[in-house]
Amino acid sequence: GQQLNQSPQSMFIQEGEDVSMNCTSSSIFNTWLWYKQDPGEGPVLLIALYKAGELTSNGRLTAQFGITRKDSFLNISASIPSDVGIYFCAGQLANDYKLSFGAGTTVTVRA
Amino acid sequence: GAGVSQTPSNKVTEKGKYVELRCDPISGHTALYWYRQSLGQGPEFLIYFQGTGAADDSGLPNDRFFAVRPEGSVSTLKIQRTERGDSAVYLCASSLNPGHANTGELFFGEGSRLTVL
Repeated sequence: GQQLNQSPQSMFIQEGEDVSMNCTSSSIFNTWLWYKQDPGEGPVLLIALYKAGELTSNGRLTAQFGITRKDSFLNISASIPSDVGIYFCAGQLANDYKLSFGAGTTVTVRA
Repeated sequence: GAGVSQTPSNKVTEKGKYVELRCDPISGHTALYWYRQSLGQGPEFLIYFQGTGAADDSGLPNDRFFAVRPEGSVSTLKIQRTERGDSAVYLCASSLNPGHANTGELFFGEGSRLTVL
């Protein structure tokens, strides 16, 4: 699969703080997606991005599809305890149906 | 249920044994995927089915791994002569219209955790 570099690997944040994580690739992707995985569960889709430059929000989450199509970022505003989990970026090449995933960013929130 | 269902949720086996993992996708989803997730890593693609046929099996690590989807719905991932390195969570996902915006999204099951002793 394609290599996606996700950072940071982990973060500890204070409740109420904003969080930012990003993902880069040497490949040009057609679609960028962000998933969240809780312990013992499968990944759940948070946001999907289909167009270079696109900025999309889902509640307190905002994600952008980079202009070069080789990167994406995810912001979480005003974090709350239930934001704890592992966040994965995923990319999909043109004319391909499979996703390549980053290694994940583990978010821990201090109450 | 409405989601992707995987069984068993946990499987412990001995090295050299044969293992089958089952996936029941969301009803009506034509595309089915198997991924493998090792501890501390993101999911890694194994195989993709469109209907009954394996459209892309480029992620299968070797010929000990095989998957079938005989009727275009339920799929079984089969692992022969298991090795300790096969220990991981095996995730199944399905999608309605692969490759299409808004309807091509992958929905994942909770996974089958395989431990090879």
